[in-house]
Amino acid sequence: LAKTTQPISMDSYEGQEVNITCSHNNIATNDYITWYQQFPSQGPRFIIQGYKTKVTNEVASLFIPADRKSSTLSLPRVSLSDTAVYYCLVDSSYKLIFGSGTRLLVRP
Amino acid sequence: NAGVTQTPKFQVLKTGQSMTLQCAQDMNHNSMYWYRQDPGMGLRLIYYSASEGTTDKGEVPNGYNVSRLNKREFSLRLESAAPSQTSVYFCASSETTGELFFGEGSRLTVL
Repeated sequence: LAKTTQPISMDSYEGQEVNITCSHNNIATNDYITWYQQFPSQGPRFIIQGYKTKVTNEVASLFIPADRKSSTLSLPRVSLSDTAVYYCLVDSSYKLIFGSGTRLLVRP
Repeated sequence: NAGVTQTPKFQVLKTGQSMTLQCAQDMNHNSMYWYRQDPGMGLRLIYYSASEGTTDKGEVPNGYNVSRLNKREFSLRLESAAPSQTSVYFCASSETTGELFFGEGSRLTVL
């Protein structure tokens, strides 16, 4: 049973804000929510991690509602270089399983 | 600071041959991981080591063995390679659960 569900793909245009939602209905009390970005031929790169409410860093924001059954990665003003696959992970153990990810295409 | 280093970066094997993928990290992380990624697909966990001296199976362990040689090094061995093991292999390390640091990948082709 998959721990997370994400849209398979999304399209956007340069300069727009992109919101990618991840559903995790069976999240456990101790689980953290972590997002990764992967470019072709590279390993994934950590973007942001949160437990509840809102977390912001220099590249993204992560919004987590009170019930924690979903989370939304927000990328402000995307550029062509943000074209990548984005993965949401939900876990508190060492057995870190990736889902299928969301393929984001940013168009000029 | 090299981070996570994988060797070799590319390898071609014939069916039945064996080989070992090496991974080393210089961040003093406790946990290390091996993933595989087939073309156009997501990452699948092969084995992981939560700390030095321990290893555990992931989602797809069949056909692989691992050794956590010390805190820095975590190797992945294919005893008898099969074409289905053609993939890109990523090693990763972590100090805490969730924040993984990945290597550049090792591209393996089994003919």
